[in-house]
Amino acid sequence: QSVLTQPPSASGTPGQRVTISCSGSSSSIGSNTVNWYQQLPGTAPKLLIYSNNQRPSGVPDRFSGSKSGTSASLAISGLQSEDEADYYCAAWDDSLGGHVVFGGGTKLTVL
Amino acid sequence: QLQLQESGPGLVKASETLSLTCTVSGGSIDSSNYYWGWIRQPPGKGLEWIGSVYHSAYTYYNPSLKSRVTISIDTSKNHFSLKLSSVTAADTAVYYCARHSRVSSKSLNWFDPWGQGTLVTVSS
Repeated sequence: QSVLTQPPSASGTPGQRVTISCSGSSSSIGSNTVNWYQQLPGTAPKLLIYSNNQRPSGVPDRFSGSKSGTSASLAISGLQSEDEADYYCAAWDDSLGGHVVFGGGTKLTVL
Repeated sequence: QLQLQESGPGLVKASETLSLTCTVSGGSIDSSNYYWGWIRQPPGKGLEWIGSVYHSAYTYYNPSLKSRVTISIDTSKNHFSLKLSSVTAADTAVYYCARHSRVSSKSLNWFDPWGQGTLVTVSS
């Protein structure tokens, strides 16, 4: 069972705005920043959002992240077919000496 | 451009030790700003962090795997390695290595970039 909680699935039609939630605890999201990864089918994960809301170079501004308290969200606007992928949130957790926790992943389907 | 490449046996017998190496090219592994991490993904399942190592050899491990994991680093060869002992079928997964950003001495952050991953199957 993952320490960060994400919905297992999400969907939207091209052009729509979709959000994916990620819920944690006071020792994880409540105390540290959240990162998001995109995993296209058959490929390695790729950093999508870091430090809650920062986009690495090359990531379209259609992708945005936010954090409030012990929860975070990833928003994708202007949904495109190539956005169909698995999305994972992750954060550092200060408990047990410090460790990384991942969400279980959300499979995004573009209808 | 920094690149990471995993290497090692694709098949390991149950109860034995899984050993993988991640070779870093296009940059030095001897950086004060980064740790170097291992993450795995069982077939059809989500991501699980295994652990991360600093150039000084200081490590952080997943508490649930700590008793079986050793991560080491060789700065002269610009690579780091994973050993996972007493493997079972549950350890069958794609194993990824990645650069792990360091926020402070007590906090790590994002993984970027990632290697392409290598599938390790545990046979009975």
